[in-house]
Amino acid sequence: GIQVEQSPPDLILQEGANSTLRCNFSDSVNNLQWFHQNPWGQLINLFYIPSGTKQNGRLSATTVATERYSLLYISSSQTTDSGVYFCAVEGDFNKFYFGSGTKLNVKP
Amino acid sequence: GAVVSQHPSWVICKSGTSVKIECRSLDFQATTMFWYRQFPKQSLMLMATSNEGSKATYEQGVEKDKFLINHASLTLSTLTVTSAHPEDSSFYICSASPVWGEQFFGPGTRLTVL
Repeated sequence: GIQVEQSPPDLILQEGANSTLRCNFSDSVNNLQWFHQNPWGQLINLFYIPSGTKQNGRLSATTVATERYSLLYISSSQTTDSGVYFCAVEGDFNKFYFGSGTKLNVKP
Repeated sequence: GAVVSQHPSWVICKSGTSVKIECRSLDFQATTMFWYRQFPKQSLMLMATSNEGSKATYEQGVEKDKFLINHASLTLSTLTVTSAHPEDSSFYICSASPVWGEQFFGPGTRLTVL
């Protein structure tokens, strides 16, 4: 299967700081999604971004499919941004492969 | 839009009993549904992929007879954990995918087997 690596594994920020999360994948993919898992376990869709750049408020994402990586930018972080951020890529047969996640802790 | 529900949200059962978990896409038709398992502080592990009206495709190492998946309609898939044991305790999450391929996740079911 496709290997998905996320970095950094852990990140501590002061409220108001900016950050960049990275997702590298080992093969060409059909799709890529970023998720935020809240403390109750719910996965929230952030971006569906097989290529290009998208923005949604303080969050933006860029996927460079030819170089097999994606970046998630969080600007002016808030305590509610805390949680685990997952990158998932779609390979053949609709199979999604998840990275190990980045655990973000935003301190007030 | 694109809401997926899962029921129950948590369940406690005795060892040897079976537990059924339902996953429903509420406002779209899901051509494909997925079942994942997540252990504490770990990533999601894909268990199986199911398409409406056909048999589920299980990932390597997942016991088909242990984890029965039924995808009866374009809005409903069920996972039955048969003869559950304590090692089956976990967080089970379903997702549904409409025709354009994006996945939407249910809120998860926390299973505890005593």
